[in-house]
Amino acid sequence: QQPVQSPQAVILREGEDAVINCSSSKALYSVHWYRQKHGEAPVFLMILLKGGEQKGHEKISASFNEKKQQSSLYLTASQLSYSGTYFCGTGVYSGGGADGLTFGKGTHLIIQP
Amino acid sequence: DAGVIQSPRHEVTEMGQEVTLRCKPISGHDYLFWYRQTMMRGLELLIYFNNNVPIDDSGMPEDRFSAKMPNASFSTLKIQPSEPRDSAVYFCASSFVLLNEKLFFGSGTQLSVL
Repeated sequence: QQPVQSPQAVILREGEDAVINCSSSKALYSVHWYRQKHGEAPVFLMILLKGGEQKGHEKISASFNEKKQQSSLYLTASQLSYSGTYFCGTGVYSGGGADGLTFGKGTHLIIQP
Repeated sequence: DAGVIQSPRHEVTEMGQEVTLRCKPISGHDYLFWYRQTMMRGLELLIYFNNNVPIDDSGMPEDRFSAKMPNASFSTLKIQPSEPRDSAVYFCASSFVLLNEKLFFGSGTQLSVL
């Protein structure tokens, strides 16, 4: 089942902050965040693992609430280059083992000068 | 490293025709994934392989879709016969491990079925 992202879209001025949320109905093992520019492939930003390990991009941060099966991506002092569609991908273990990464429908972020 | 390589970049075909999409994963990656992206559904996982073996194909929409990985450096996704609702961008991705490391995506194949 797809994770749910919110908001669906957001428009910001350069320098403003943004928060993108991702929630799942399943117990999560990992949460990935990717950004996609129009006509391009998704590019990795961040991974958060159950147990608190965090890896990824220097200028963008994220949190992972395992109990609530939620993650948030924080973009501070946004730059024009941050524009794009942000996807969260969730990793879960089901009865048969690990499932492949399942992505939400994305959050469209537009940064204006 | 050249990254994940997909071909063709664009494919236009007529309804009923067979379509074959190709993917070369990054050398050394044990996992290969096929995703389909549409406006309505976003990024859907179709199937993934581990060491050339299909592990989960529950996302494959119907029997018209099939995927193979004959060796560690090549995979195909075939649609036969194709239908207009198959029009989408198809991405191939690969990774070292399943959930702990990032996915590397190919550039995608834009498929249009007329």
